[in-house]
Amino acid sequence: EAAVTQSPRNKVTVTGGNVTLSCRQTNSHNYMYWYRQDTGHGLRLIHYSYGAGNLQIGDVPDGYKATRTTQEDFFLLLELASPSQTSLYFCASSDGHGSDYTFGSGTRLLVI
Amino acid sequence: GDSVTQTEGLVTLTEGLPVMLNCTYQTIYSNPFLFWYVHYLNESPRLLLKSSTDNKRTEHQGFHATLHKSSSSFHLQKSSAQLSDSALYYCALSASFSKLVFGQGTSLSVVP
Repeated sequence: EAAVTQSPRNKVTVTGGNVTLSCRQTNSHNYMYWYRQDTGHGLRLIHYSYGAGNLQIGDVPDGYKATRTTQEDFFLLLELASPSQTSLYFCASSDGHGSDYTFGSGTRLLVI
Repeated sequence: GDSVTQTEGLVTLTEGLPVMLNCTYQTIYSNPFLFWYVHYLNESPRLLLKSSTDNKRTEHQGFHATLHKSSSSFHLQKSSAQLSDSALYYCALSASFSKLVFGQGTSLSVVP
């Protein structure tokens, strides 16, 4: 079954630490996205990609890098984690404009 | 830029009463796609409804919504709330780019 798989499910790191969140999709979708979910703000787009090697900046990109190594794999990197990046992170994939998303199960990140 | 507004952060309803969650949007694009996603605790957000046709009612799982371009609205309704409807509901817009812009989310709590 086509899916979006995120790892890890939970992560705790210290301020200034280095974190990589992973996402793999088996939907054969061109587009992949990273969102963060925060109460009162909803889902906010960090970065997205429309294919291997491509990266587009989202609405809240500060403090985040991303890399799309293959059509299946999209990584979110926090090189100097800060407490403000404590959040629930979702990865998603889609076919593009007008298509709905398939979401992963989320990664809960705590920066202490 | 594109935006989505959900005015209610929290809606508490007694079981059996009608549900209406508000959603308005802003975009200069004339043919947007509007979505409702539902997010149950500890699960992935998933698609509930989708529409791009003006003034046409779309229905799924007892919920319905009608896209009204004249008022830039896509309100979610259900005739009778069930306890199992308790969840976080997101309205989202896909306009000129292959990404979804989400509203702030409305948490629906249905009580006995």
